[in-house]
Amino acid sequence: EDQVTQSPEALRLQEGESSSLNCSYTVSGLRGLFWYRQDPGKGPEFLFTLYSAGEEKEKERLKATLTKKESFLHITAPKPEDSATYLCAVQAKGGNTPLVFGKGTRLSVIA
Amino acid sequence: DARVTQTPRHKVTEMGQEVTMRCQPILGHNTVFWYRQTMMQGLELLAYFRNRAPLDDSGMPKDRFSAEMPDATLATLKIQPSEPRDSAVYFCASARGGGETQYFGPGTRLLVL
Repeated sequence: EDQVTQSPEALRLQEGESSSLNCSYTVSGLRGLFWYRQDPGKGPEFLFTLYSAGEEKEKERLKATLTKKESFLHITAPKPEDSATYLCAVQAKGGNTPLVFGKGTRLSVIA
Repeated sequence: DARVTQTPRHKVTEMGQEVTMRCQPILGHNTVFWYRQTMMQGLELLAYFRNRAPLDDSGMPKDRFSAEMPDATLATLKIQPSEPRDSAVYFCASARGGGETQYFGPGTRLLVL
């Protein structure tokens, strides 16, 4: 069974204090690993897709990396507006496989 | 700016009542997903469709939940009868194809009393 575990469950950072969020996964052949951001009362917003180990993607203060067992979302010099829940999901290879989501990491960035 | 839309945004109902949630996927997207989100379970897939045909509804309680796509611009999720344990946020998402990025709607927040 495909599984995703995210850690920590919650993270509190001072503005400018860089850190990383972890997403560990087990999947029967990875098609893609997805990162989403979710603000309170809203739907998840797509950030990145990673397809193979060693791949990296960046967007503003966020950088996502991928290995064969886990992905990291690195946040460099975060700002209060980066506060959100960050969700990781995996999709297995196959014709019609859905995403399997982790429970997310709640990030709070304090000014 | 193409977006997934969902109605209603909020619904409060009493146990035993029928609840219908609607979703309009992004134009041109042929795959539609229904998820339920709770604090305890996180995001769980209920069902999904491709080209209006149901591909998987194994995540849905079959005795009370039903999902349909009457046409390419409308997906519905119905609960009959509703129970307090159905209280959650229900999200619809759409994608251009099976392996493509899913884009989520704003959700329907359901409270069953």
